[in-house]
Amino acid sequence: EAQVTQNPRYLITVTGKKLTVTCSQNMNHEYMSWYRQDPGLGLRQIYYSMNVEVTDKGDVPEGYKVSRKEKRNFPLILESPSPNQTSLYFCASSWEGDTEAFFGQGTRLTVV
Amino acid sequence: GENVEQHPSTLSVQEGDSAVIKCTYSDSASNYFPWYKQELGKGPQLIIDIRSNVGEKKDQRIAVTLNKTAKHFSLHITETQPEDSAVYFCAASKAAPARQLTFGSGTQLTVLP
Repeated sequence: EAQVTQNPRYLITVTGKKLTVTCSQNMNHEYMSWYRQDPGLGLRQIYYSMNVEVTDKGDVPEGYKVSRKEKRNFPLILESPSPNQTSLYFCASSWEGDTEAFFGQGTRLTVV
Repeated sequence: GENVEQHPSTLSVQEGDSAVIKCTYSDSASNYFPWYKQELGKGPQLIIDIRSNVGEKKDQRIAVTLNKTAKHFSLHITETQPEDSAVYFCAASKAAPARQLTFGSGTQLTVLP
């Protein structure tokens, strides 16, 4: 089954404790991206990757890092999480940036 | 950069009625306009999309219209059913090469039985 898998689904952490949210897709898509969803703000892009070793900032990249060492994986790294990063995070993949994006189930992150 | 505005933020309709959600975009170079439906506890899922060389597209009860001159596009759902209740997002794709998607703020649609 074609899917985008994120882990974990839920995470509560403390300020400053480094964490990684994993994202994996099995569709051989070249384009992957991370979004955060906040009430009233829709989905805002954090980072995107057009291929292996090619990443770039989205609209809200501050406080986040990504890497794309393999085509299928695109982890999101918060090196020093802060409470304003409490949000619902989605990973997505597609053939290109302007084709259908397939989203993961989401990761609800709470930073206290 | 691109800015997408979406209205209304909430919409309630009676089952069987039509629902219309409207979006405007700012970047005249944008050329791809998808609509996503997000059900509770799930990720968004594409329901229909349109490219700038087309003015209207239909898929059963769902249609999207695009006015490039005015830079706005709309989602039309006819004969609404309770299972249409969800959050709907419009989006616009920035110009090449990145072709990033910029999303609207979402519309919570409730279909009342």
